[in-house]
Amino acid sequence: KNEVEQSPQNLTAQEGEFITINCSYSVGISALHWLQQHPGGGIVSLFMLSSGKKKHGRLIATINIQEKHSSLHITASHPRDSAVYICAVRSLEGGADGLTFGKGTHLIIQP
Amino acid sequence: GAVVSQHPSRVICKSGTSVKIECRSLDFQATTMFWYRQFPKQSLMLMATSNEGSKATYEQGVEKDKFLINHASLTLSTLTVTSAHPEDSSFYICSARAQTASYTFGSGTRLTVV
Repeated sequence: KNEVEQSPQNLTAQEGEFITINCSYSVGISALHWLQQHPGGGIVSLFMLSSGKKKHGRLIATINIQEKHSSLHITASHPRDSAVYICAVRSLEGGADGLTFGKGTHLIIQP
Repeated sequence: GAVVSQHPSRVICKSGTSVKIECRSLDFQATTMFWYRQFPKQSLMLMATSNEGSKATYEQGVEKDKFLINHASLTLSTLTVTSAHPEDSSFYICSARAQTASYTFGSGTRLTVV
């Protein structure tokens, strides 16, 4: 069974701080996604990774396939970054097609 | 970019009635659509995978007769919660996968059964 663990579960930081959210998974994957869920529930896809590193604006995502670990970084954090960040993976096992999700990291950036 | 439209965003229904949720890909063809459910402070859980023109594949523990999924075209999938009960109250969200293998999510539907 594929387990996706995220840490921390909750994170409160001051505006401008560098934020790191971690994700570990237990099985081989074809891709890892970082998602942002807003208070209303809507989900935005931030990154899809299968190797290396991706950058979009102030967001950076890295993945280490051998260690089954990924990190999402936010530089110069801002209150509008406050949201739940979710790691999701697509497993290689059993022809699985859907994503398996972590429980999310609830991020609050205080002004 | 790819957009998935999900309606309604909120619905309140009486126990025993049925509710239909629509998920539509607006600017791309989605051969596969997924339906997820999220209880408060819990992970999104995959309910079923829907392929255009074929029967949906349900995850273990999800009742296919209760959660009817129809994927009649490459741009539309519907989830019907039949004979809804208060325990079906949840946040339901769809996603569609394009050929690029990226997933685009709908905005979700908050279902409350009273």
